[in-house]
Amino acid sequence: AQTVTQSQPEMSVQEAETVTLSCTYDTSESNYYLFWYKQPPSRQMILVIRQEAYKQQNATENRFSVNFQKAAKSFSLKISDSQLGDTAMYFCAFMNRDDKIIFGKGTRLHILP
Amino acid sequence: ETGVTQTPRHLVMGMTNKKSLKCEQHLGHNAMYWYKQSAKKPLELMFVYNFKEQTENNSVPSRFSPECPNSSHLFLHLHTLQPEDSALYLCASSHDGAVVGELFFGEGSRLTVL
Repeated sequence: AQTVTQSQPEMSVQEAETVTLSCTYDTSESNYYLFWYKQPPSRQMILVIRQEAYKQQNATENRFSVNFQKAAKSFSLKISDSQLGDTAMYFCAFMNRDDKIIFGKGTRLHILP
Repeated sequence: ETGVTQTPRHLVMGMTNKKSLKCEQHLGHNAMYWYKQSAKKPLELMFVYNFKEQTENNSVPSRFSPECPNSSHLFLHLHTLQPEDSALYLCASSHDGAVVGELFFGEGSRLTVL
């Protein structure tokens, strides 16, 4: 079965610091997509960043970047210069060949002033 | 604002009640989804509709009954629920040919079953 594991249920960092959220996944497929979604408190979940497994280059979106280690099946999210608005639940997700998106349990991130 | 609207935002119901959750999107998307979000558990995919046809039923109990009258509207009819069904129910939509894997979510309907 394909699974997504986020080992950090909750994290807190000071504003302006860099934080890394961990994610590992399990699949026998060679081509797939990985995602990080952000769910702010009482607001809609939105896509933050996406990585295609066949691309070796790590995806970057402004202050958000990923460290994709395909052999290790690891997909961590790095948030640089964290801001108060980054406080949210972050979900790692995997999309298989059937286009089914499988989510992890989430990491609740608190950015402290 | 992602363009996906869910009502009601909060719902409290007894185990013998019948209620419905509504989801609406005017983004021109062809696929709509129901997810269940419970604390400390992965987001669970419940149902998928593509062009009004149900393409996924993830072994959901029959006390949850989806309805998709058109590509813009999705309902989740609830009856004889159990307390363990209390959760945040998220609706999402997507469009073939758009960014792969990008789901547009509503804010969710917080359901409490007494």
